Amino acid sequence: KAGVTQTPRYLIKTRGQQVTLSCSPISGHRSVSWYQQTPGQGLQFLFEYFSETQRNKGNFPGRFSGRQFSNSRSEMNVSTLELGDSALYLCASSLGGQPVRETRYFGPGTRLLVL
Amino acid sequence: TQLLEQSPQFLSIQEGENLTVYCNSSSVFSSLQWYRQEPGEGPVLLVTVVTGGEVKKLKRLTFQFGDARKDSSLHITAAQPGDTGLYLCAGAMTDSWGKLQFGAGTQVVVTP
Repeated sequence: KAGVTQTPRYLIKTRGQQVTLSCSPISGHRSVSWYQQTPGQGLQFLFEYFSETQRNKGNFPGRFSGRQFSNSRSEMNVSTLELGDSALYLCASSLGGQPVRETRYFGPGTRLLVL
Repeated sequence: TQLLEQSPQFLSIQEGENLTVYCNSSSVFSSLQWYRQEPGEGPVLLVTVVTGGEVKKLKRLTFQFGDARKDSSLHITAAQPGDTGLYLCAGAMTDSWGKLQFGAGTQVVVTP
């Protein structure tokens, strides 16, 4: 079956702009979680959605937001971009029923560069 | 500050050698997962351990979960160039609802 798809794969934006990233999970998966990966901080949890509801949120400013649609596709939005938002943004798809131990499938990520 | 401390940060070994990566924390986790990430790709799950003291073997890879569920190790026997990658440990706590705490990662390079 098809894996997790993230679009776009690469983005260049300037400070102050906003950006929307998209994640299409594996068919049948109802949970989508988002992570930011940087060389200095590693992978940091942004938020997790299950059946269109945000179940958990990481310690990121309110400029970072997300949503999930009825088909489980998810988007995250970053407003008023800062240089420090340059990172690889990864989404992970899972069934969602056993969040502690279930397998998560990561997409290839969207690499965002803020100039 | 990372909740999960991985060591070493970098490992460079010759093909055929063994290696061990450690993942330590002062917190108790309900489960611990190990991932491998290659350049330009997302992390790929290698194993999930959930029981304190659990040992899992996958071919040349051996994973251990500490008795107190605060630490874990990954041991690779007779490493091959295909084992090259960034190894990440990630812990989940009860009611974490999709939130994984990741270690900073160990970059492993296996040269022929």
